[in-house]
Amino acid sequence: KAGVTQTPRYLIKTRGQQVTLSCSPISGHRSVSWYQQTPGQGLQFLFEYFSETQRNKGNFPGRFSGRQFSNSRSEMNVSTLELGDSALYLCASSSSTDYNSPLHFGNGTRLTVT
Amino acid sequence: QKEVEQNSGPLSVPEGAIASLNCTYSDRGSQSFFWYRQYSGKSPELIMFIYSNGDKEDGRFTAQLNKASQYVSLLIRDSQPSDSATYLCAVNSGGYQKVTFGTGTKLQVIP
Repeated sequence: KAGVTQTPRYLIKTRGQQVTLSCSPISGHRSVSWYQQTPGQGLQFLFEYFSETQRNKGNFPGRFSGRQFSNSRSEMNVSTLELGDSALYLCASSSSTDYNSPLHFGNGTRLTVT
Repeated sequence: QKEVEQNSGPLSVPEGAIASLNCTYSDRGSQSFFWYRQYSGKSPELIMFIYSNGDKEDGRFTAQLNKASQYVSLLIRDSQPSDSATYLCAVNSGGYQKVTFGTGTKLQVIP
């Protein structure tokens, strides 16, 4: 079974631009979560989608948004990029509505904002 | 107070020894607990999960949960240099998939 796929692997953007990251979950997984990882803050929860609905949202500004499609694939968008948005963005999928279901992570997208 | 706390380390242990990694959490309503391993430059990979008080063993790994003390730990027996990584403790407080991670403990296994 293929794992979680994230594209692109690397991105370099300029301040003020916007970016869209993509995530394809493990086949059959309907929950997709997004995390931002930085050396200082660790893994910070952005949001979680299930069946095209955002169920949970972390404490990030409105510049961070996401969506999920009917095939469970998800995208996240960051508008008006700031230098502090440079980070590893990780997508994770899980298999069920049960909160006990573990997260399975993709390889991440490394975003650098200059 | 952080929701999930871990000692950042590094924790250095000799090869063959037992490595003990600890984590405390603040939400008493937390339901499920996970340990992830993250190698440098890689994404986190699930090692174990535990839901009930007590111990859960999987090969060289044992997870221990004490909900009364709000404490979860991971023991790695017969530590190998390949176990050198950052270990992340993660807690789900029952709000679907809103999982909170600690900042991780860096483990170094010395050959």
